[in-house]
Amino acid sequence: EADIYQTPRYLVIGTGKKITLECSQTMGHDKMYWYQQDPGMELHLIHYSYGVNSTEKGDLSSESTVSRIRTEHFPLTLESARPSHTSQYLCASSETGNSGNTIYFGEGSWLTVV
Amino acid sequence: QKEVEQNSGPLSVPEGAIASLNCTYSDRVSQSFFWYRQYSGKSPELIMSIYSNGDKEDGRFTAQLNKASQYVSLLIRDSQPSDSATYLCAVRVIPAAGNKLTFGGGTRVLVKP
Repeated sequence: EADIYQTPRYLVIGTGKKITLECSQTMGHDKMYWYQQDPGMELHLIHYSYGVNSTEKGDLSSESTVSRIRTEHFPLTLESARPSHTSQYLCASSETGNSGNTIYFGEGSWLTVV
Repeated sequence: QKEVEQNSGPLSVPEGAIASLNCTYSDRVSQSFFWYRQYSGKSPELIMSIYSNGDKEDGRFTAQLNKASQYVSLLIRDSQPSDSATYLCAVRVIPAAGNKLTFGGGTRVLVKP
């Protein structure tokens, strides 16, 4: 069972606010990911990290930014939220090696920007 | 053409029947294949992974991989109402930056009692 935690689970904020979605994993995984998924729609990778101080853009362009200062922590920040950012954000992690093929997901953060 | 394609469904099956889900992928060098289950409003959870051609069975689930034809399928035997969910096919290319997976759009399965 994966130990990956996201906070907040649900957030409603006003346009223009800055928000940070937190993601932490206790498995010591070196690789972490952020996916965005609208209800009933596809998962899209927006950010990933190989390890500490490593961050890369994913397949879907996003106005959010990420940081990886500690192995276990991979927060996502929106400097100025807009209604178009309303979505579910899923954090995930995996380890290196053959067993690292498996990606484990957190429970997701539902963001609504009004 | 999408990299990973699935029929969006819904695939409606009676309880106790076999549900058959298909997934095709475009990148011939794809090496690892995964099926995730996602309940409405929840995050995806891994059901099975398969790396070699042929069948792989785990309980009521069987994954089938055919690299020559570039498809991977999932069979759910003795379908239960609790199997009603969206099933996501995911593919990883080796080498792939960051070990990231590419997901299909998912197939919604509805098991009717």
